[in-house]
Amino acid sequence: KAGVTQTPRYLIKTRGQQVTLSCSPISGHRSVSWYQQTPGQGLQFLFEYFSETQRNKGNFPGRFSGRQFSNSRSEMNVSTLELGDSALYLCASSLTGDTEAFFGQGTRLTVV
Amino acid sequence: GESVGLHLPTLSVQEGDNSIINCAYSNSASDYFIWYKQESGKGPQFIIDIRSNMDKRQGQRVTVLLNKTVKHLSLQIAATQPGDSAVYFCAEKSGGTSYGKLTFGQGTILTVHP
Repeated sequence: KAGVTQTPRYLIKTRGQQVTLSCSPISGHRSVSWYQQTPGQGLQFLFEYFSETQRNKGNFPGRFSGRQFSNSRSEMNVSTLELGDSALYLCASSLTGDTEAFFGQGTRLTVV
Repeated sequence: GESVGLHLPTLSVQEGDNSIINCAYSNSASDYFIWYKQESGKGPQFIIDIRSNMDKRQGQRVTVLLNKTVKHLSLQIAATQPGDSAVYFCAEKSGGTSYGKLTFGQGTILTVHP
C-alpha cells in the first residue's frame, strides 16, 4: 500500500511569488491535514480537509490556502511569499481525521 | 522579529539500554495521543497511539503510558538500537470538532551509541 506522497520534494522561490504544493493521501483516506515545520516554531497545524471541505484551520494568515479534490488529493497554496515562509511543509492523511495520521516526506520550501 | 530556535531536550543512551521519552500536555480535552519518530530529512513516522480511555498500550519494542491526572505521556523503547536515533514527538488531539488537528510537543532528540 503506497504511503503519503508529496510533490515536489524541494522548491526555491523568490519573495512575492506564489507556490502550490501537492499531497496524495493513502488510498482510502479521506482526511488530509497540512503542517508547517520550522526550527523556531516546530510543527504547526495549517488546515484539514475532508471530502473536499475544510473542517479545521490553524492560526496562519490568509495567504495560506488549500483545497481538496474528489479523489482526496490535496493542494496547498501560499501567495505573496515571505522569507519566513521557508519551512518543511508536511501533509498527513487519515481515514477520518480522528484516527492514525500518517505523514509524507514533506516539501522543503526555501524563499530567497 | 528574530525567531528563537527551539531547544530540544536530548537523551543519550547506549545500544541495548531501555529509553524513556517524556511529554507533558496541557489540554484537558485531549483524548487521543500519538508518538512520532522523525529522522533527518524525512517526515514524521507513526510509532504508536493511545486513546484517553487507556493508560497503557504496547507495540513492538515500544510502550506508551498515559497519566491523565498529571497530563503526562511517556514512550518507552526497549533494547534501543542505533536505528532508533531520531527526534521523537508526542502529539495530542482534542475531541469535538478538532478534526485532523494534532498539537505537537517540541520533540526530544534520542541518540543511541553503539
